[in-house]
Amino acid sequence: RKEVEQDPGPFNVPEGATVAFNCTYSNSASQSFFWYRQDCRKEPKLLMSVYSSGNEDGRFTAQLNRASQYISLLIRDSKLSDSATYLCVVNRDDKIIFGKGTRLHILP
Amino acid sequence: EPEVTQTPSHQVTQMGQEVILRCVPISNHLYFYWYRQILGQKVEFLVSFYNNEISEKSEIFDDQFSVERPDGSNFTLKIRSTKLEDSAMYFCASSLRDTYEQYFGPGTRLTVT
Repeated sequence: RKEVEQDPGPFNVPEGATVAFNCTYSNSASQSFFWYRQDCRKEPKLLMSVYSSGNEDGRFTAQLNRASQYISLLIRDSKLSDSATYLCVVNRDDKIIFGKGTRLHILP
Repeated sequence: EPEVTQTPSHQVTQMGQEVILRCVPISNHLYFYWYRQILGQKVEFLVSFYNNEISEKSEIFDDQFSVERPDGSNFTLKIRSTKLEDSAMYFCASSLRDTYEQYFGPGTRLTVT
């Protein structure tokens, strides 16, 4: 089983729709969790950290379920500029594991 | 806003040559990282560095690779004898603490011919 698994994608959704990304991780000792976005041929950019209580930043909501080893990201009212690859990232003992990413295309 | 910078943006080298990729992390950050991303593949962790020593490294980070913080601002990745399969984008990142958010530089595209 891969250490961090994400939906393979791509997701093609119309502008304004709500999009949900899922991620599972295999090592229960994982300590911190993040969502990054990556535009084509660019560096990953931090979108948000993920906390057990859940957290929200504008149109973005992240959830963590430690018992199920599951992380999610919800984007509401999607914009064309949200088109990117979304990366689930897990940190354990200073070893950082990226998921393969889920590509999102927002359609006008 | 402080940012991580990397030089050069693109490096072309011949197989067997040594390359040094340079990074300037965010100034008050204490933890430094190198990653690579082969075209079309996922970002892969190479090494983390704290307090002037390697704290964690992956299987990819073999004896051909080394890292150094030669002064108070630069953080370098050296590949001693490049192979064709080392062609990738190399990203440097830094964070304030080991479990905190990491901020990435724009990357160096390494092409080995």
